[in-house]
Amino acid sequence: GESVGLHLPTLSVQEGDNSIINCAYSNSASDYFIWYKQESGKGPQFIIDIRSNMDKRQGQRVTVLLNKTVKHLSLQIAATQPGDSAVYFCAENALSGSARQLTFGSGTQLTVLP
Amino acid sequence: KAGVTQTPRYLIKTRGQQVTLSCSPISGHRSVSWYQQTPGQGLQFLFEYFSETQRNKGNFPGRFSGRQFSNSRSEMNVSTLELGDSALYLCASSWDRREQFFGPGTRLTVL
Repeated sequence: GESVGLHLPTLSVQEGDNSIINCAYSNSASDYFIWYKQESGKGPQFIIDIRSNMDKRQGQRVTVLLNKTVKHLSLQIAATQPGDSAVYFCAENALSGSARQLTFGSGTQLTVLP
Repeated sequence: KAGVTQTPRYLIKTRGQQVTLSCSPISGHRSVSWYQQTPGQGLQFLFEYFSETQRNKGNFPGRFSGRQFSNSRSEMNVSTLELGDSALYLCASSWDRREQFFGPGTRLTVL
């Protein structure tokens, strides 16, 4: 079946460096992609989204890049801070008939080193 | 605006019992989706309700069911609990069925 997967399960970066988290998706019908951050004991928190008609979208310290040719999504975090330590999930959203659902990747644990 | 709320936050049940979890969406959101999160399987879609109708269902057995009320609040029920049902159950609400906002989840432990 269709799936969304992450390239790396863990990522460690030095505080102040930039972080890049990658994600591959396989459902060509997906028209909306989201990155979520999940801290221990909490539900996923929306970070940034991008529609399939865009290649890049920037937020505060975060940028999402979408490459539809190779079905690849990435999240860039600038000047990574200790508070950025969490599990990051990419998710794709596809419409099939009247049904719409999010399919999540397996997640990447980001650890920020002092 | 208040966020998505879920009750209870923690629950301990024994095998064979049934459980009902509740979710109150963000005011104005009519779509509510449920997910199961486990270390082994990650986040898996259970079902989505929109305007009191189930619009989509994930690949879970019939023991998992849900409903949505006219005020958009939703409940999910799991009958005949199994050990493997131990998980964090997350509810998410949405205005446009795209951007979803998650609640803190209900941690279910089945003994």
